[in-house]
Amino acid sequence: AQKVTQAQTEISVVEKEDVTLDCVYETRDTTYYLFWYKQPPSGELVFLIRRNSFDEQNEISGRYSWNFQKSTSSFNFTITASQVVDSAVYFCALSEAGTDKLIFGTGTRLQVFP
Amino acid sequence: GAVVSQHPSRVICKSGTSVKIECRSLDFQATTMFWYRQFPKQSLMLMATSNEGSKATYEQGVEKDKFLINHASLTLSTLTVTSAHPEDSSFYICSAQLTSATKNIQYFGAGTRLSVL
Repeated sequence: AQKVTQAQTEISVVEKEDVTLDCVYETRDTTYYLFWYKQPPSGELVFLIRRNSFDEQNEISGRYSWNFQKSTSSFNFTITASQVVDSAVYFCALSEAGTDKLIFGTGTRLQVFP
Repeated sequence: GAVVSQHPSRVICKSGTSVKIECRSLDFQATTMFWYRQFPKQSLMLMATSNEGSKATYEQGVEKDKFLINHASLTLSTLTVTSAHPEDSSFYICSAQLTSATKNIQYFGAGTRLSVL
């Protein structure tokens, strides 16, 4: 069965700190896709990244970086030099090949204080 | 690009009435759209998959007669909550799938907060 675990319910940091959001997934498929979405207080989910299971290269986009490790079934997300605008709930999600359905984790609420 | 509009953003209605929520992909065509429900401080639960020109596929436990889905065009899907009751109060959020040769990505609307009195 597919499952996504985000063990951190809430994280609070002070501006400019680095913060890592953990995501552990379970799947029996060899082909799957991992996603991160951001949900600010306004409610909409903002797409951040999609990664397929055959691409283990880490990715960096500005202050955001992602570490995909198949050996530990993890797809962690790091925000460098956090800012107040980063405050949101972040969801990790999984979809398997052959289905478009997203299985979401329970989300991590990040609060960045000035 | 990849903008999804959801309307209304908030609706308050009396018990027994029906409420229609619209989900539009503004700058791309979406054969497939999804409807989710989110309870406070919880994750998103997929309710149904909406396919243009065909019947929606509902997840287990979701009443199809209660939550009517219509996907009449490649840019519009609607969710109608029929005979709404207080327990239907929730945050409903849609997504539209942008499909390309190499990837499928769901882009989300801003959600609709439904309050049934």
